Amino acid sequence: SAVISQKPSRDICQRGTSLTIQCQVDSQVTMMFWYRQQPGQSLTLIATANQGSEATYESGFVIDKFPISRPNLTFSTLTVSNMSPEDSSIYLCSVPVVAGGQETQYFGPGTRLLVL
Amino acid sequence: AQKITQTQPGMFVQEKEAVTLDCTYDTSDPSYGLFWYKQPSSGEMIFLIYQGSYDQQNATEGRYSLNFQKARKSANLVISASQLGDSAMYFCAMRAFYNTDKLIFGTGTRLQVFP
Repeated sequence: SAVISQKPSRDICQRGTSLTIQCQVDSQVTMMFWYRQQPGQSLTLIATANQGSEATYESGFVIDKFPISRPNLTFSTLTVSNMSPEDSSIYLCSVPVVAGGQETQYFGPGTRLLVL
Repeated sequence: AQKITQTQPGMFVQEKEAVTLDCTYDTSDPSYGLFWYKQPSSGEMIFLIYQGSYDQQNATEGRYSLNFQKARKSANLVISASQLGDSAMYFCAMRAFYNTDKLIFGTGTRLQVFP
């Protein structure tokens, strides 16, 4: 398994500001993912954080709005830039783990963001 | 296109009874993985069970089992002996190995267990 921590766990921000969310994994992993869960909705992938190269963004998400860093194999950050109330969501990082032939994907505890 | 469908927005079950949460999927990839997650009100995503497309037997993890019917493209989650603490949102997700590493999630089912 993998133990994943996220900071902050929650925040309330003013529109127009930016927030950087940190994700720390207790082991080295090749891929890290960032998801968004808007209120009452399912999870949507924002981007894949690649170590040593630029993040790969999903349709509808752009680097200027959600810049991502991946300085090493255990850490990543997601910044939510120029926030608006529509950015109010839970943001989760996740990592795929394969052990004993079984695959899974573990999630961090999430960051609850409220934009006023 | 890959898609996960959960048709039950909400389910009720009495404590100690079994409940089945439905999940159907669509993919053209021959190799894929199916996951179930539990999300309590705290918001964390808790991994429950995994089924690979080539696995011959249905996956089981404690009180959780996955009823995998490949021909029907369904991967229903069965929770036996429900407990009050099972009340949560449940998400079915799929990863298609050849296309992408990302997980595609269904819309979720809210399960409420009553005494």
